[in-house]
Amino acid sequence: GAGVSQTPSNKVTEKGKYVELRCDPISGHTALYWYRQSLGQGPEFLIYFQGTGAADDSGLPNDRFFAVRPEGSVSTLKIQRTERGDSAVYLCASSLRGTGSYEQYFGPGTRLTVT
Amino acid sequence: ILNVEQSPQSLHVQEGDSTNFTCSFPSSNFYALHWYRWETAKSPEALFVMTLNGDEKKKGRISATLNTKEGYSYLYIKGSQPEDSATYLCAFRRGYNTDKLIFGTGTRLQVFP
Repeated sequence: GAGVSQTPSNKVTEKGKYVELRCDPISGHTALYWYRQSLGQGPEFLIYFQGTGAADDSGLPNDRFFAVRPEGSVSTLKIQRTERGDSAVYLCASSLRGTGSYEQYFGPGTRLTVT
Repeated sequence: ILNVEQSPQSLHVQEGDSTNFTCSFPSSNFYALHWYRWETAKSPEALFVMTLNGDEKKKGRISATLNTKEGYSYLYIKGSQPEDSATYLCAFRRGYNTDKLIFGTGTRLQVFP
């Protein structure tokens, strides 16, 4: 079946601009996660949704970052007033939480470059 | 602060060599340890989820062991092939009440023909 997809695959934007990154999870997966990987680091947790609600947003670095999942499927990560330090690969994952499966399945990521 | 550490940072081996790398994690409140393989321009691929002390998992030429009491996991690749070239990430999940994965920085493996 189809895996997790993310669009765009690459995004270049100027400092100060607004960007949206989209994630389509595996059909039927109730949980959705956002991580970001900065250069030389491992992926870092940002936010986790169970259904439509954010169950844990403790990883969002500041109030410029916001994510939504209005219908419990597709999610959008929104970054306002982008800064050069926001440049990273943004990864999305989904899972069947609650059925005993621990696995998180990842998309290919969106590479964001802020110039 | 929870730290997950992986070593070595990078590894270069010849085709046919066997290799292994280490993931260290906090031993308190352990819930699960995940291993992923991440090839350039692709999605991270799930290799193993390990939950029990002493657990051993195997997938083809790749295997992993887990020691939750001392806080480490080893990943082994037997007879490395060029297609094994990738970054291998481990991720720690602490406690039942969180789904957050805490990743190490990865081990980058390059297998030369």
